[in-house]
Amino acid sequence: GAGVSQSPRYKVAKRGQDVALRCDPISGHVSLFWYQQALGQGPEFLTYFQNEAQLDKSGLPSDRFFAERPEGSVSTLKIQRTQQEDSAVYLCASSHPGQEKSGANVLTFGAGSRLTVL
Amino acid sequence: AQSVTQLDSQVPVFEEAPVELRCNYSSSVSVYLFWYVQYPNQGLQLLLKYLSGSTLVKGINGFEAEFNKSQTSFHLRKPSVHISDTAEYFCAVSDRPDDYKLSFGAGTTVTVRA
Repeated sequence: GAGVSQSPRYKVAKRGQDVALRCDPISGHVSLFWYQQALGQGPEFLTYFQNEAQLDKSGLPSDRFFAERPEGSVSTLKIQRTQQEDSAVYLCASSHPGQEKSGANVLTFGAGSRLTVL
Repeated sequence: AQSVTQLDSQVPVFEEAPVELRCNYSSSVSVYLFWYVQYPNQGLQLLLKYLSGSTLVKGINGFEAEFNKSQTSFHLRKPSVHISDTAEYFCAVSDRPDDYKLSFGAGTTVTVRA
């Protein structure tokens, strides 16, 4: 597609419910990132994929958070047993492999999925 | 880990006036700096970046920023703003030039008034 697509754009969940957020990166983009943006804060790194391999998950806040990218394209961020503190906008970004090597910043962000946990 | 401080959370400004958004980063041997803009209901877009070379960086939409190593700053400026510049602006830092694992500031909301 022309850009990074995220769905749903808005999700309201009851505390304890499981949620799944989808990211459809730009076709051909090898790298995929998930960031969490709490209200009034800047985005914070959650996890990084290169193709289907999850190379860095150091930013995931707890074991309730799980991300996958089984075929190296679409990625899903899953949050189990949601808590109120999980309320945030979840941003997905992807980048082009060739331009990464040149050191250029070619991250393309999606519009985000806003999660509200009641 | 790198960190970024954006000193102003809100900046109101009149149309055609200049604007400066302040950003300071934690000192490091190697640092790569970025400014992103987020318009309402849109994803983050890169305005400009400093990887190396000239300390004055020009970006899109008439924005520029100056890397000042001695003051560990990377302030963003525009000489004359438009209503369409109303948005949230984020400064970010990475210890790698390929923008892997960016550390973002808390953001500065710019509101341009006629």
